[in-house]
Amino acid sequence: DAGITQSPRHKVTETGTPVTLRCHQTENHRYMYWYRQDPGHGLRLIHYSYGVKDTDKGEVSDGYSVSRSKTEDFLLTLESATSSQTSVYFCAISEGSGRDLGNIQYFGAGTRLSVL
Amino acid sequence: AQSVTQLGSHVSVSEGALVLLRCNYSSSVPPYLFWYVQYPNQGLQLLLKYTSAATLVKGINGFEAEFKKSETSFHLTKPSAHMSDAAEYFCAVTYPGFQKLVFGTGTRLLVSP
Repeated sequence: DAGITQSPRHKVTETGTPVTLRCHQTENHRYMYWYRQDPGHGLRLIHYSYGVKDTDKGEVSDGYSVSRSKTEDFLLTLESATSSQTSVYFCAISEGSGRDLGNIQYFGAGTRLSVL
Repeated sequence: AQSVTQLGSHVSVSEGALVLLRCNYSSSVPPYLFWYVQYPNQGLQLLLKYTSAATLVKGINGFEAEFKKSETSFHLTKPSAHMSDAAEYFCAVTYPGFQKLVFGTGTRLLVSP
C-alpha cells in the first residue's frame, strides 16, 4: 500500500468522545489527504495537507480537525464523535509534482470507525 | 467545478462476458481522469489514468478506458470478466496543477460463474 499505514484499523467509540486517527507515510510525499467513504457517496474529502503545518478543508470538514507536524504523519481528530461520523476513513498521499504523474493518489487500507 | 457521474451503482456480468462501467465527467478545463478499484476491506488501487496523452488508456488486469471529449466520457472496459474482478470501481477527475480528486459514487461489479 505505497508505504502508508493507518492506525487504528478498527475503532468503536461512544458519542461525545474524542477520537484521533493516524496516517503515517514512508514515501516523503508532500500531499496527504483524509477521506470518508459512505455507501452511495463514494469518497468525500475531509481535509488535506500540502506541507508541514499547511492544511485546508475539504467538502465535509465540519466536526473534524487535522494536524501535520511532520512530513510523515497526518492526524485526523473528531473532537466530539457523533453517530453520523460512523464511516470508513481513508488516508491518501500524493507526490503532487503536477507533471505526467497526473496527481496520482495512493491510499492506505482504511480505518473502520463506529460511533455508538 | 468538476464532477463525475457513474451510471449504475451495481453491474452484474457473467464470467467471460464484457465488462463496461460508465463514467461521465464535467470539467471546465481539460481533465485528468482516473479509475480506481477497491477490493473488499482494502484501500483504493489505481487501475489506470488519462493525462492528455493517448485517448485509449490501458491499465492493470486487462482493463482499458477511452477518453471521449465529445461525449465527456471515460468508460472502463474489459473484454472478458474474471471472478477476481468482483470489486467496487471508482472514477475520479482532476486537472493539471490541482491537487484534489473528485470521486464518483462508485460501481460495484458482480461476476457470476
